[in-house]
Amino acid sequence: AQSVTQLDSQVPVFEEAPVELRCNYSSSVSVYLFWYVQYPNQGLQLLLKYLSGSTLVESINGFEAEFNKSQTSFHLRKPSVHISDTAEYFCAVREGGYNKLIFGAGTRLAVHP
Amino acid sequence: SAVISQKPSRDICQRGTSLTIQCQVDSQVTMMFWYRQQPGQSLTLIATANQGSEATYESGFVIDKFPISRPNLTFSTLTVSNMSPEDSSIYLCSVEIAGASTDTQYFGPGTRLTVL
Repeated sequence: AQSVTQLDSQVPVFEEAPVELRCNYSSSVSVYLFWYVQYPNQGLQLLLKYLSGSTLVESINGFEAEFNKSQTSFHLRKPSVHISDTAEYFCAVREGGYNKLIFGAGTRLAVHP
Repeated sequence: SAVISQKPSRDICQRGTSLTIQCQVDSQVTMMFWYRQQPGQSLTLIATANQGSEATYESGFVIDKFPISRPNLTFSTLTVSNMSPEDSSIYLCSVEIAGASTDTQYFGPGTRLTVL
């Protein structure tokens, strides 16, 4: 069965520092992988997704994630964070042929000045 | 993507009552989903709602507690029945948009429910 593990519940970081939010999944079949962001008191927004092709995917606001099949990981990175990146980040997986998204527990990124 | 709206955005309800949450999309979509996000937790799928058929519920969720309607391709409702404080959560609808290689889910802003 699918499962998603986000290893860090909270990640505090100073502004302009790099950050990595970790995500591991378990699945025996091909998967599609997603990162969603939830800003305070708002709904979820799609940040980026891996469907096929290049294992490195990027978002418009400087985040990137790399699909590593051998390590079953899809870690999210940003080289320099801003205060406005403070939010909850959710990793999600979907097995090919199914509609259901399985979410990780979320990682709260807190960017401090 | 799609523009998704939910009503109400938040509500405070008394135990034993019911609340119906509406989800409206600005384009026709085949699949709509309802999720629950309990305080401080991740999202859990309640059910999948396809137009013209009964909703499909996930383990732990039943139609009597969470009846769903899907009258057309742009609208759905979720009712939280006979509420208790344990139902206090954010309820989110999502829609699936067909893409080049796979479908992607986009989420509404959520309905924050507090049950006293």
